[in-house]
Amino acid sequence: EAGVAQSPRYKIIEKRQSVAFWCNPISGHATLYWYQQILGQGPKLLIQFQNNGVVDDSQLPKDRFSAERLKGVDSTLKIQPAKLEDSAVYLCASSLLGGMSTDTQYFGPGTRLTVL
Amino acid sequence: AQSVTQLGSHVSVSEGALVLLRCNYSSSVPPYLFWYVQYPNQGLQLLLKYTSAATLVKGINGFEAEFKKSETSFHLTKPSAHMSDAAEYFCAVGGGNKLTFGTGTQLKVEL
Repeated sequence: EAGVAQSPRYKIIEKRQSVAFWCNPISGHATLYWYQQILGQGPKLLIQFQNNGVVDDSQLPKDRFSAERLKGVDSTLKIQPAKLEDSAVYLCASSLLGGMSTDTQYFGPGTRLTVL
Repeated sequence: AQSVTQLGSHVSVSEGALVLLRCNYSSSVPPYLFWYVQYPNQGLQLLLKYTSAATLVKGINGFEAEFKKSETSFHLTKPSAHMSDAAEYFCAVGGGNKLTFGTGTQLKVEL
C-alpha cells in the first residue's frame, strides 16, 4: 500500500514570494491534515479536511495561507506572501475514518520550507 | 483544552540500556494518547496508542507505554535500546477530532 506522498521535499524561497505544497493521501482515506512543524517543536495542526470539506482551520493564518482539497483526494497548501517565520516542515497526514481522535494518522515525509 | 508535556528534550542511553521517555497529559475528558517516532527527514510513524482499553499498551519495535490516570502520565519504555532507536519521539493527546503534540524528545543511543 502506497503511503502519503508529498512534493516537493525541499523548497527555498525569499520572503514575500508565494509557494505551494502538494499532498496525495493514502487511497480511500477520508480525512486529510496539514501540519506545520517548526524546528524544535511538535507538529501543529493547520487544517483538517474530511472528504472535500473543512473540519477545522482554526489555526490556519488565513491572511496568507490557503488550502484546498478538490474532489476529496489530493490537496494543495499555499502560502502567499511568505514570511521568515513560515520556515518549517509542512507535514501532510491522512486517516481512514471520519477524523475521530482515535484514528491512526499516517504521515508523509514532509516538505521543508526555508524562507530567506 | 488538551495538552501534553514531554520532560527532557534530549535523552541519551547506552545500547542495551532501558529507554524511558516521559509524557504527562492534561485533559478534561478521558484522553486518547499516542506515541509517534520521527526518523531524520521522514514523517511521523505511530508507535502505539491508548484508547481506554488495557492500560499497558504494546507497540512496534519493542516499545510499550503505561497509562496512569492518577499520575496523568503515559511514559514510553523499551527494555533494551538499539542503535536504530535513535530518533525523535512525540507524545500526543487526541480529542475533538484532532491531535495535540508535545515538543518531542530526541533519543540518542550510544555504544
